[in-house]
Amino acid sequence: KAGVTQTPRYLIKTRGQQVTLSCSPISGHRSVSWYQQTPGQGLQFLFEYFSETQRNKGNFPGRFSGRQFSNSRSEMNVSTLELGDSALYLCASSDSQETQYFGPGTRLLVL
Amino acid sequence: QKEVEQNSGPLSVPEGAIASLNCTYSDRGSQSFFWYRQYSGKSPELIMFIYSNGDKEDGRFTAQLNKASQYVSLLIRDSQPSDSATYLCAVITAGGTSYGKLTFGQGTILTVHP
Repeated sequence: KAGVTQTPRYLIKTRGQQVTLSCSPISGHRSVSWYQQTPGQGLQFLFEYFSETQRNKGNFPGRFSGRQFSNSRSEMNVSTLELGDSALYLCASSDSQETQYFGPGTRLLVL
Repeated sequence: QKEVEQNSGPLSVPEGAIASLNCTYSDRGSQSFFWYRQYSGKSPELIMFIYSNGDKEDGRFTAQLNKASQYVSLLIRDSQPSDSATYLCAVITAGGTSYGKLTFGQGTILTVHP
């Protein structure tokens, strides 16, 4: 099976802009989780989607949002970008067994 | 108190030695435990998961879980330079608010020197 894919891999934006990141899970996986990784805060949970429904959300501002489509692909959106949003954004897919497999990530730089 | 804590490291071991990585967690309701390896500039890669008390072995890796002590560890036998990476301990707690949420420790940097 193909692994988790994320696009784009690298992104440079300026403050105030918005960005949309995409994640395609492993075939057959219905759960997609998103994480932000920074050197200072480590890996932090953003939200999780299952069958197009957000089931869980981390402690991030409302500027961070996401959605999931009927084919389980997921997108996350960050509006009004801030310098502190520069990070590696990771998505992970899971079947019903909880084990999560990560994609390669999208590295976002906000200038 | 952090929810998941790992020994701070960095940890340096000679090639062929046993590397021992430790992790404690604060939520007694935690049910599932994972070890990931992350090479510099790459994404986390699953090494092992463990759900029950005791040891679980997979090749050179052994995960150990002690729920009473809220402690999980990873042993790497016959360490190789290619094992040099950051090792992340992750936990899923029980209950509805845990859906899809891995809580990670800060990671331990392991260096295996020839």
